[in-house]
Amino acid sequence: NAGVTQTPKFRVLKTGQSMTLLCAQDMNHEYMYWYRQDPGMGLRLIHYSVGEGTTAKGEVPDGYNVSRLKKQNFLLGLESAAPSQTSVYFCASSTSGAGASYEQYFGPGTRLTVT
Amino acid sequence: AQSVTQPDIHITVSEGASLELRCNYSYGATPYLFWYVQSPGQGLQLLLKYFSGDTLVQGIKGFEAEFKRSQSSFNLRKPSVHWSDAAEYFCAVYAGNMLTFGGGTRLMVKP
Repeated sequence: NAGVTQTPKFRVLKTGQSMTLLCAQDMNHEYMYWYRQDPGMGLRLIHYSVGEGTTAKGEVPDGYNVSRLKKQNFLLGLESAAPSQTSVYFCASSTSGAGASYEQYFGPGTRLTVT
Repeated sequence: AQSVTQPDIHITVSEGASLELRCNYSYGATPYLFWYVQSPGQGLQLLLKYFSGDTLVQGIKGFEAEFKRSQSSFNLRKPSVHWSDAAEYFCAVYAGNMLTFGGGTRLMVKP
């Protein structure tokens, strides 16, 4: 099993450009999450999904959109990138329902730089 | 809303010495608490978690943590640190379908 994978690993954008980050998991998890990591601030939740076709806002959703068209994939979009979105982005997934461990499994991250 | 504070941004210990990383949380109900570790350039890996029951929980790599409700704390400990433990450590609380992370503590290990 690959676990949680993220594409791409690195990206450089110019201000105003758009891009999509792809997260894929092969563990049949219901829940998926997108975080950003900035120095000294830990990880902050951008958006999350509790199942196919459903998404919800997290702590810092502005400037981002997400889609969960398939259970195994969770896409994060930046419509008009800004330098403040320079960060490392992590995707995670977890089980749900009775007996769930609530443990989140993380991907390796995508380092995004906006110039 | 829940929150997590890790008071120490950086900690340096000598190899073989004991370690304690502090974590304080704010949450109205019984918390689900986690410690994750992140090696440079890597994603996060779960060290241990607390849901209920015994307040001293054991994790991987020889780590343990103690939940103290009266102090709203969930400190991580290891009796003897190895050079490979150098990493960043994150405490987190789970509530409302979300994990809320502390700012992290970066551990450096001196030979």
